[in-house]
Amino acid sequence: EDKVVQSPLSLVVHEGDTVTLNCSYEVTNFRSLLWYKQEKKAPTFLFMLTSSGIEKKSGRLSSILDKKELFSILNITATQTGDSAVYLCAAGRDGNTGKLIFGQGTTLQVKP
Amino acid sequence: EAGVTQSPTHLIKTRGQQATLRCSPISGHTSVYWYQQALGLGLQFLLWYDEGEERNRGNFPPRFSGRQFPNYSSELNVNALELEDSALYLCASSDAGRRFAEAFFGQGTRLTVV
Repeated sequence: EDKVVQSPLSLVVHEGDTVTLNCSYEVTNFRSLLWYKQEKKAPTFLFMLTSSGIEKKSGRLSSILDKKELFSILNITATQTGDSAVYLCAAGRDGNTGKLIFGQGTTLQVKP
Repeated sequence: EAGVTQSPTHLIKTRGQQATLRCSPISGHTSVYWYQQALGLGLQFLLWYDEGEERNRGNFPPRFSGRQFPNYSSELNVNALELEDSALYLCASSDAGRRFAEAFFGQGTRLTVV
């Protein structure tokens, strides 16, 4: 059965810290790995990764995929209180399934 | 450009009743996805509609059904509600050319079954 596992499940840091969130996957016919940030209700898209070893960056956030070891990491540098949220990773499969397989999420709390 | 919109925001129903949730995708998007997010659990895939057809469904009972209209908006129906159906229901959309790319989510409908 396909699964996506995130770690840690929760994390508390102070402003300015750097955090690394982990996502491992076992997905048949894997195609892509996506990261979302969920603050209240609507998950907002962060990154989509399809190629191994190529880092994607957006401001203080960056992410990379390792298709050999079947994991991805999301890094946030110089954290701010506004980074407090649940971070979700999801795997997409090849083929016309339209389905993303989500992990359970990492709850990040950034304290002032 | 308007994002994905869902209605209602909150819905309270009694066990055994039916619930209808609505979703309007981003203009130009033809695919609509429904996910259930129960408390403490990750998002679980419910249904995918594209070009008016149901393309795939997750491991949910037939009580969960829906449809997509010619304007690509979608409706999720949950019949014979059970207490464990209480959850946040999220709708997402993507365009046909980027079907495997990022999907954009709406704010969700919080369904409470009492």
